[in-house]
Amino acid sequence: AQRVTQPEKLLSVFKGAPVELKCNYSYSGSPELFWYVQYSRQRLQLLLRHISRESIKGFTADLNKGETSFHLKKPFAQEEDSAMYYCARAGGATNKLIFGTGTLLAVQP
Amino acid sequence: DVKVTQSSRYLVKRTGEKVFLECVQDMDHENMFWYRQDPGLGLRLIYFSYDVKMKEKGDIPEGYSVSREKKERFSLILESASTNQTSMYLCASSLQTSGYSYEQYFGPGTRLTVT
Repeated sequence: AQRVTQPEKLLSVFKGAPVELKCNYSYSGSPELFWYVQYSRQRLQLLLRHISRESIKGFTADLNKGETSFHLKKPFAQEEDSAMYYCARAGGATNKLIFGTGTLLAVQP
Repeated sequence: DVKVTQSSRYLVKRTGEKVFLECVQDMDHENMFWYRQDPGLGLRLIYFSYDVKMKEKGDIPEGYSVSREKKERFSLILESASTNQTSMYLCASSLQTSGYSYEQYFGPGTRLTVT
């Protein structure tokens, strides 16, 4: 079965510190991978996708096929980055997404 | 802007009641999805639909059914609510495509409590 693993339920860092949210996926050809974010009292929304190779709000994520990882990184955390982050992969031909269990990022002042 | 709306933000129902959760999207998306969101378990797909009157089971369909009579509306039905169905329910929609997966747009969620 296709799986997405986020090993950390909670990641707490201080403002200005680097952030790395871990995501590993089960190997299956060429996956499409995404990061979604949910800020407090807001709806879940797409943060970035690996195919776009973009940086959004200072976050980047690189697909590492050798390690089957898609970690989300930001060099300097801000308090407004505090949110729940979900890693997801496309579920094959059906346009489904398979989500990880999420990591709550708490950025302390 | 894509808008996905859900009929209620909060809902309290009694065990055994039949519960309807409604979702409407205004962007002519073919795909619609129902998830439940639970702490520590992430988002789990209940059902999805890729066209009017078409539906497929997700990972946790037991105790739920769905209806899609119109393209813009996707309903989740709890036939006989139970306390273990207390959860946050999220609806989402996306374009249909082959090959490349498009972004899913989410509704605000319905927090259902079954007592």
